[in-house]
This record gives sequence, structure tokens and C-alpha cells, in this order.
Amino acid sequence: NAGVTQTPKFRVLKTGQSMTLLCAQDMNHEYMYWYRQDPGMGLRLIHYSVGEGTTAKGEVPDGYNVSRLKKQNFLLGLESAAPSQTSVYFCASSSSGQSNQPQHFGDGTRLSIL
Amino acid sequence: GDSVTQMEGPVTLSEEAFLTINCTYTATGYPSLFWYVQYPGEGLQLLLKATKADDKGSNKGFEATYRKETTSFHLEKGSVQVSDSAVYFCALHTNAGKSTFGDGTTLTVKP
Repeated sequence: NAGVTQTPKFRVLKTGQSMTLLCAQDMNHEYMYWYRQDPGMGLRLIHYSVGEGTTAKGEVPDGYNVSRLKKQNFLLGLESAAPSQTSVYFCASSSSGQSNQPQHFGDGTRLSIL
Repeated sequence: GDSVTQMEGPVTLSEEAFLTINCTYTATGYPSLFWYVQYPGEGLQLLLKATKADDKGSNKGFEATYRKETTSFHLEKGSVQVSDSAVYFCALHTNAGKSTFGDGTTLTVKP
């Protein structure tokens, strides 16, 4: 019953370091999303993908890159981490882009940039 | 653009009290409406949904009715339990995978 799995769960980085967050889903979903969650600001969409090999920008894409080389995986990269990127990052997936489909979320990655 | 406005929290209730969390939205087209719940240290999970006007979504004693005339989707539960303590998010989904989430309302239920 894995659903959406995010790794790592926690990470501390220094300013300027790079890292990749991995999201994997085993539900054969077409759509995948990366969000960040900050206190009092709800969820903000960073990037999303409507299928293998596709990516698109969301509301707050600056400073992040993504790739979806395989349908089940969606990677989020930080090339040069900044303190403003300290946040909790959530990956989600949905079976299609139809409005009646819910999103399924991972448990999040808590990232601190010093 | 689309937006979701939730009742500000935090909300603190005693066990067995009645719960209402207000949610209003603005959207073009015909969105589906959702309530998600987030327990500490976890991701959001679907609580209930409604896909068209006048539909009522329900799950685990929670209910919400899609009111197009008032553009609202208020969450209600008749008798809350300590285990309902969590953050609740109202959201709307449109076609092409577009979603808008509210800021979340923190509920604490005391025994």
C-alpha cells in the first residue's frame, strides 16, 4: 500500500549546496505535482507533469528544476539552495487531469537551508 | 484567477461539540470541490469531495454540500472526537489538473 513515497524525509543543507528530492508513485498515475508548504500560506505549486517526459511551471518555479523520465518518478532539484527555500515539500499524483480526481500526497520532505 | 478562502483558525473545541469550518471559492467554469485532512507529520489525504452543484460529500461523519449560489463548501461534523484534531484544507480542482488550496484550518479537540 505504498502510494506516493518521498525521499528523503528530512534534510539540512548549507546555502549554495544542491540536492534532489525523489518522488515515486505506484498507482500508474499520469499527473504528478510538487508543492511547498509554508506556515500560513497553504500549498503552493512549484512544478507539475501531465505525463512521462513532460513538465510545466507552477506558481513558484524559480530556483527549482524537475524531471519526469519515468512515469512513476518525479524529481525536484535545487541547484543552489537558498534560505528562502526552507520549507516542507510535498509530492502528489492524480490519475488524470479531470476535475473529479483527487490528489494523493506523500508524507513530505522537511528541508532546512542554513 | 481561482481562489479558495477558508475560515481562519485555529479552532479549539471540546469533544462531542459541533464543528463548522467555512470555505468559499471563486472559480471560472465548473470545478470539483474537496476537503483534505492533514495529520501531524503526514501529507494531505482526501476527506470528501463533491463534483457538481448540490452534491453532498460525506466521510467519517464529516459532510459538506456544494452550494453554487453561495459559492461555498462548508465542512461540518455533528460530534467531534480528539482524533479529529488535524489541519483541514478546502480545495477546488478544475480540468487539466489545476488545483487551488485554501490556507488550512487547524482544529484541536480537547477531551
